[in-house]
Amino acid sequence: QVQLQESGPGLVKPSETLSLICNVSGGSVNSFYWHWIRQPPGQGLEWLAYIHYSGVTKSNASLKGRISISIDTSKNQFSLKLSSVTTADTAVYYCAREAIAYDYWGPGTLVIVSS
Amino acid sequence: DIQMTQSPSSLSASVGDRVAITCRASQVIRTSLAWYQQKPGKAPKLLVYGVSKLQTGVPSRFSGSASGTDYTLSISSLQPEDFATYFCQQYYSARTFGQGTKVEIK
Repeated sequence: QVQLQESGPGLVKPSETLSLICNVSGGSVNSFYWHWIRQPPGQGLEWLAYIHYSGVTKSNASLKGRISISIDTSKNQFSLKLSSVTTADTAVYYCAREAIAYDYWGPGTLVIVSS
Repeated sequence: DIQMTQSPSSLSASVGDRVAITCRASQVIRTSLAWYQQKPGKAPKLLVYGVSKLQTGVPSRFSGSASGTDYTLSISSLQPEDFATYFCQQYYSARTFGQGTKVEIK
């Protein structure tokens, strides 16, 4: 059974960089596409970015270059960095696997942006 | 960017009712449409992909359909465990979610 688990600081200061890791178990990151998605409290879902083990990446244009995504096949994990954060970046951040759609998700991690 | 307009934003229904939730895509997305169910404090769960293909383990009371750029998730007979929020998502170009529909108990 594939499992995903997000990890990282739960509190980030404004203007700093949010960094999260998604550990994948029960399957390899050497297949499929791997995504980050977030959900502000009480709101809807926003796709952030994806990466393929080959290095292909794509991100949401609304993030205006603040985002980077990487993959470490040796550790079977992938990562997200979001720079220059503001309170608008406060959200539950999910990692997910995309086979055709998102068939496996992590439980999510709440990141609060506050001084 | 492709926009997904989902309606209604909420609905009240009773156990046994048939309900339908619609998403309209701002441009052609062909069959690149999925539906998810989310319960409070939990990650979304994939219900339907490719417009009408049920994910393994999803009850057959759920179904998906399309007409042009309008996509519909139907629940034939609402069960207590179906009260949740539902999202559509396109994966034709980049990725976009609908705003969500909260299904509440009448």
